[in-house]
Amino acid sequence: DVKVTQSSRYLVKRTGEKVFLECVQDMDHENMFWYRQDPGLGLRLIYFSYDVKMKEKGDIPEGYSVSREKKERFSLILESASTNQTSMYLCASKTSGARYEQYFGPGTRLTVT
Amino acid sequence: DQQVKQNSPSLSVQEGRISILNCDYTNSMFDYFLWYKKYPAEGPTFLISISSIKDKNEDGRFTVFLNKSAKHLSLHIVPSQPGDSAVYFCAASVTSGSRLTFGEGTQLTVNP
Repeated sequence: DVKVTQSSRYLVKRTGEKVFLECVQDMDHENMFWYRQDPGLGLRLIYFSYDVKMKEKGDIPEGYSVSREKKERFSLILESASTNQTSMYLCASKTSGARYEQYFGPGTRLTVT
Repeated sequence: DQQVKQNSPSLSVQEGRISILNCDYTNSMFDYFLWYKKYPAEGPTFLISISSIKDKNEDGRFTVFLNKSAKHLSLHIVPSQPGDSAVYFCAASVTSGSRLTFGEGTQLTVNP
């Protein structure tokens, strides 16, 4: 079974803090993704990576950056957290090739006060 | 520009009856479609998918129908069970791509 883990289930940070969200997958997947989930907006793609040190902007990259130094790990960075970044953050991974299913971690509920 | 839309935020059905969740898309380049289920405080889990070369795919109680001319797909759950109560997301992809585009989600409640 694919396992995607996220470093924290719940996180509370103050406005202006730098925040790191970590994601690790154990299936040697090439592709990794960061989403945020907000009520009525579904899952929106922030950034994704199709290889180590490679990254692509998703639909809402503003205010975020990412890092992928190792294949199994994909980090999301909020350089200066703001209250509108309060959300559920979901990491996912998938293999390259013909299969399209992404496997998700349990999510991190981030609250910025 | 919402390329994948789920127009019903919520749906309530009785246990044992059919649940029908709907999804519309606007991008004609999409050729692979997936449904995910999400329980509170958990990540989404893959449920069922369909390629654009098919119009139906069945897996146990779950069937997905695709109407390409209408750019519409639906997920049928028969019979519905209380454990099916969750948020269901529709997602779409292009063959050459890695990313998925998700809809807003539909909260399904199955009443005992």
